[in-house]
Amino acid sequence: KDQVFQPSTVASSEGAVVEIFCNHSVSNAYNFFWYLHFPGCAPRLLVKGSKPSQQGRYNMTYERFSSSLLILQVREADAAVYYCASWCGGGGNKLTFGTGTQLKVEL
Amino acid sequence: NAGVMQNPRHLVRRRGQEARLRCSPMKGHSHVYWYRQLPEEGLKFMVYLQKENIIDESGMPKERFSAEFPKEGPSILRIQQVVRGDSAAYFCASSPAFPGSKHYRYTFGSGTRLTVV
Repeated sequence: KDQVFQPSTVASSEGAVVEIFCNHSVSNAYNFFWYLHFPGCAPRLLVKGSKPSQQGRYNMTYERFSSSLLILQVREADAAVYYCASWCGGGGNKLTFGTGTQLKVEL
Repeated sequence: NAGVMQNPRHLVRRRGQEARLRCSPMKGHSHVYWYRQLPEEGLKFMVYLQKENIIDESGMPKERFSAEFPKEGPSILRIQQVVRGDSAAYFCASSPAFPGSKHYRYTFGSGTRLTVV
């Protein structure tokens, strides 16, 4: 069964670097996507790809079946749900999402 | 350039009624995706449509659910004879191309929260 796995909760202190880990069992998938979701708002794409990449404070690591999202200099406002998703190539139709990781920021 | 617009934001229906959820994709986007988020769960794929065509409906429940994306107007997710288990947040996303394209922009709307009472 195609699934994406990520922890339900991660905690971090303000100013620290936090890592959210994700792995998948999606057939032929090799792209990862990381989304940020505040309740009541649209999920927002942070970073994506099939290789390590960085967008501002967001770094994405990449291996064939796993990826981590690293958030640098964590702020209280970063407390939200982070979704990992995978996509298989060749024109595949959809992203397969994990269940989301709630980031808790300790002051 | 407005983002993906979903309406209504909140919808309350009694058991047995019909629910119609609308999604207007971003300008220039011809690919529409519907996802459902049940309480305490992640985003689950339901259906992928291009203009006037259903491309992939592998995530749609077999009964009571249907989707369309007409040539003119928004995409509609229709749920007939709603039950309490249909209560969820329904998200629409649009893209000008499929995820592997360099033109990929998978943009989500803010969702419609359906409550069945």
